[in-house]
Amino acid sequence: DTEVTQTPKHLVMGMTNKKSLKCEQHMGHRAMYWYKQKAKKPPELMFVYSYEKLSINESVPSRFSPECPNSSLLNLHLHALQPEDSALYLCASSQYHLSLTSGRGGNTIYFGEGSWLTVV
Amino acid sequence: GQQVMQIPQYQHVQEGEDFTTYCNSSTTLSNIQWYKQRPGGHPVFLIQLVKSGEVKKQKRLTFQFGEAKKNSSLHITATQTTDVGTYFCAGIYLNYGGSQGNLIFGKGTKLSVKP
Repeated sequence: DTEVTQTPKHLVMGMTNKKSLKCEQHMGHRAMYWYKQKAKKPPELMFVYSYEKLSINESVPSRFSPECPNSSLLNLHLHALQPEDSALYLCASSQYHLSLTSGRGGNTIYFGEGSWLTVV
Repeated sequence: GQQVMQIPQYQHVQEGEDFTTYCNSSTTLSNIQWYKQRPGGHPVFLIQLVKSGEVKKQKRLTFQFGEAKKNSSLHITATQTTDVGTYFCAGIYLNYGGSQGNLIFGKGTKLSVKP
């Protein structure tokens, strides 16, 4: 099983709504990531969890709130979003955080299919 | 912050022609990874290069990592319509602050193949 599963695949929400994106992996990976990808742009890192602890927050607005309930699950809570937050939100996982295996091979990152978010 | 420059932004080829995309960093990379993203899809890991001067092949795809570990290339021989998509390189920096150990994506090269 080499899958990262994301739900929902599509989400439309108003600017006053509260919603959550969910991500799950059963590969025993200890690093999980949230990326944001706008159309025709590369993925941009939002959050990194390593061993269920938030290690990196790339200056993301507080209207995005990550949560890692256990080693297999990663959530992204959304509140009071803006239309410019509309994007593809990608979850990814790897055996270990990349900083722990830099200079070595292996440690492939697996991306989920993403959640397409539209804020109206 | 660290940046990985990738060119060209777009490449249109006739089926059967070769294709190359290049990535360059101003500072030394620890590793570099390559991804393919089909239209409407998600990034799919292709390969990771670690060693200086490393060359790896996957069927018609050849990946190179420069001697100084500052540049990399992906070459596709005899393109097919199934090669259509955006190819991203993503560098990993070992010794740079908040970016340490995180993937820094290039802007990608969008490949279209005319049958």
